[in-house]
Amino acid sequence: QVQLVESGGGLVKPGGSLRLSCAASGFTFSEFYMSWVRQAPGKGLEWVSYITTSWTVYYADSVKGRVTISRDNAKNSLSLQMNSLRAEDTAVYYCTRLYYNIMADKGYHFDYWGQGIPVTVSS
Amino acid sequence: QSALTQPASVSGSPGQSITISCTGTSSDVGAYNFVSWYQQHPGKAPKLMIYEVSNRPSGVSNRFSGSKSGNTASLIISGLQAEDEADYYCNSHTTSSTLVFGSGTKVTVL
Repeated sequence: QVQLVESGGGLVKPGGSLRLSCAASGFTFSEFYMSWVRQAPGKGLEWVSYITTSWTVYYADSVKGRVTISRDNAKNSLSLQMNSLRAEDTAVYYCTRLYYNIMADKGYHFDYWGQGIPVTVSS
Repeated sequence: QSALTQPASVSGSPGQSITISCTGTSSDVGAYNFVSWYQQHPGKAPKLMIYEVSNRPSGVSNRFSGSKSGNTASLIISGLQAEDEADYYCNSHTTSSTLVFGSGTKVTVL
């Protein structure tokens, strides 16, 4: 079965950096787009970034220039490098599989989610 | 990248039907049929309920259905049950190849 397990979260000071990782299993990782979604305490879901199977990347305006998404198909791993962190980046970060069928041009939905990992930016 | 607009809350009695709207623009909801809906119970990860406007993943109750007209998508929950009490979010692909969520709707079963 599909499993997505995040790691690397924690407490970091404003202006600091953090790298989140997501270990994927139960599917052919290299064949799927992957994405990060976050949720600030008591707030709604916010899409952060996604990476395609050909390593093209997209970012939300709120994180562009401060965040880098990457994937390692050999290790079935997704990462999110976050720099210049701000208090407003405090959230639970979810690793998600973003389903998209290139041949049929169908999809763009998050069909599997990790359990989420908290990131707190505070002095 | 403004969030799609959803009502903050919707309520209904058991057995009733409710509709949650998700209003965007011609650059997102109105541009493609890549609208999906997610259910989130407190402290849990979201769960996909509807994809590509009106398709249900395997295992999701047929009490959940979706539709779209112009720049507004809708999630309909029929035969409301206590377990349907949760937060619901829509999501859409955009013409900038980004993704955007709705503001979220809290469903209360009276």
